[in-house]
Amino acid sequence: DVVLTQTPSTLSATIGQSVSISCRSSQSLLDSAGNTYLYWYLQRPGQSPQLLIYLVSNLGSGVPNRFSGSGSGTDFTLKISGVEAEDLGVYYCMQATHAPLTFGSGTKLEIK
Amino acid sequence: QVQLQQSGAELVKPGSSVKMSCKASGYTFTSYYIYWIKQRPGQGLEWIGRIGPGSGDTNYNEKFKGKATFTVDKSSSTAYMQLSSLTPEDTAVYYCARGRPLGGYWGQGVMVTVSS
Repeated sequence: DVVLTQTPSTLSATIGQSVSISCRSSQSLLDSAGNTYLYWYLQRPGQSPQLLIYLVSNLGSGVPNRFSGSGSGTDFTLKISGVEAEDLGVYYCMQATHAPLTFGSGTKLEIK
Repeated sequence: QVQLQQSGAELVKPGSSVKMSCKASGYTFTSYYIYWIKQRPGQGLEWIGRIGPGSGDTNYNEKFKGKATFTVDKSSSTAYMQLSSLTPEDTAVYYCARGRPLGGYWGQGVMVTVSS
């Protein structure tokens, strides 16, 4: 199975600070058709996960544009440009290029 | 608006089975895969598998073959997941989510507690 390694595991940020989360894959997530199935989700406390970014860099519906995704191959990054209080929770990357789909272990964002 | 409404919490005994539902609304049910995801208490997310409601096509994580079974009822736009031979390791919240984009919509989750 593809292993996704997220760093850091915990992140503490002040309101307005910009932060980045890394997601590294044990295999390339580029498929033979040229697609990269890498997603980012946020799970707020007590809630279901919600989609932030799909296919590496596409913003999910209704997601604020302070969120952005980048990367290729095995290295991916989620950036939050100006953290807001509502951004606290656990962030997960997920790959769907290789079966079985797998998730990273999560990055917990705390607000200072 | 798109909604996935899941059934209520379950308390079940070891060795039994449980069947949960995920009722879709606000879109054409047969046009999007339904994914099932497991989250054990305080833990991360784990993909169980998916079903294509239009074709009935299923894909299972090898880890859950023999444990999970997916079905759909197109007449009611509802997807189901049955879990069998339950053990305490199956205690978790189970989510359904819609594809395209994957995980664009999620149900509220079903808490399954396996305890004698």
